[in-house]
Amino acid sequence: QQQVKQSPQSLIVQKGGISIINCAYENTAFDYFPWYQQFPGKGPALLIAIRPDVSEKKEGRFTISFNKSAKQFSLHIMDSQPGDSATYFCAAGYFGNEKLTFGTGTRLTIIP
Amino acid sequence: IAGITQAPTSQILAAGRRMTLRCTQDMRHNAMYWYRQDLGLGLRLIHYSNTAGTTGKGEVPDGYSVSRANTDDFPLTLASAVPSQTSVYFCASSTLAGNTGELFFGEGSRLTVL
Repeated sequence: QQQVKQSPQSLIVQKGGISIINCAYENTAFDYFPWYQQFPGKGPALLIAIRPDVSEKKEGRFTISFNKSAKQFSLHIMDSQPGDSATYFCAAGYFGNEKLTFGTGTRLTIIP
Repeated sequence: IAGITQAPTSQILAAGRRMTLRCTQDMRHNAMYWYRQDLGLGLRLIHYSNTAGTTGKGEVPDGYSVSRANTDDFPLTLASAVPSQTSVYFCASSTLAGNTGELFFGEGSRLTVL
């Protein structure tokens, strides 16, 4: 049973555009929602994370939007650049207990 | 600082053979994890260890075993490999300090079981 559902599976965005990746979770007890970025041949690395006490968190061009009532959260990449081309994973878990449940991943390609 | 070191980087293995994937961290993190990554399935937790001497089962533990004799090393063993264990395996660690919740990943071990 997939507790964290991620979409789309792949995404192509033109340079300068906005990339949006969505995730939905089932377990209302989750209180930590990170996004990981993975480049080919590398391990995933933490990009940005949010706790459910806020509805939005922004770090540079990356923003997480969180909707607790809908049990959904999304990653927005503003002014997308070719260097953003990577696979993105959303995840959910319990803060301080890092056994995360990951989404299935989104392969993002930014074209010139 | 190396972070997490995994070995081997890649391996082709005959079904039925025993295989150990090695993982070493130099960050003195309390917790360590093994994930497998499969296309369309994302990252799934196999086993974890919150501290040296303790281990626990994740989402997909069958066919795998781990040990945590010390803080730095967390090997993953496939006692008798099967083709469905063909995957990319990632070792990770975290402080479990409750401050960031961040997992630090190695660069992966690509395993093919024929």
